[in-house]
Amino acid sequence: DGGITQSPKYLFRKEGQNVTLSCEQNLNHDAMYWYRQDPGQGLRLIYYSQIVNDFQKGDIAEGYSVSREKKESFPLTVTSAQKNPTAFYLCASSMGDRNYNEQFFGPGTRLTVL
Amino acid sequence: AQKVTQAQTEISVVEKEDVTLDCVYETRDTTYYLFWYKQPPSGELVFLIRRNSFDEQNEISGRYSWNFQKSTSSFNFTITASQVVDSAVYFCALSETLDQAGTALIFGKGTTLSVSS
Repeated sequence: DGGITQSPKYLFRKEGQNVTLSCEQNLNHDAMYWYRQDPGQGLRLIYYSQIVNDFQKGDIAEGYSVSREKKESFPLTVTSAQKNPTAFYLCASSMGDRNYNEQFFGPGTRLTVL
Repeated sequence: AQKVTQAQTEISVVEKEDVTLDCVYETRDTTYYLFWYKQPPSGELVFLIRRNSFDEQNEISGRYSWNFQKSTSSFNFTITASQVVDSAVYFCALSETLDQAGTALIFGKGTTLSVSS
């Protein structure tokens, strides 16, 4: 089955630690995205990547980092510089061209800072 | 600035009632797309519909229908004869052209729909 997987589903982090959230897709999509969702809020774009080895900051990139070494994978690292990292993180992918294709989402990772 | 407003934070209905979720958007683009997504309690967003700015025809898919009115910058979503399984958070989204090619989505804050039996 084609789709997007995210792991882990739940993640607990101590203050001052970096953690990495995994996102893998087998849809052969060029574009991948990371969003953050806070309670009662919409999704806000953290980083996006249109092609391998290239990525761009979204609206709230501070305290986060990404890599795109493979087409299928787009991991997100939440660094200790992120002041309030507790949130629900969603990864998405799309065809990536300018045809405004819909994005497909993974099941999400819920990060809690202890 | 690009913006999506979903003024209804929460809606509660009883099964079999019809319910309309409102979405108003702002954009400077002449070509744009609008989307609706459903987020059930499991958390994963499910794509429902994509509509481009040149197509103002209403669309119906089973119990779901969408009313796009460019004159009022609205893209409303109606569920007919609601069911308990429709309980979810619904997001309206607007396409945004990115500087480095490709597009991203701007989301509204969502409307939480609760359907009771």
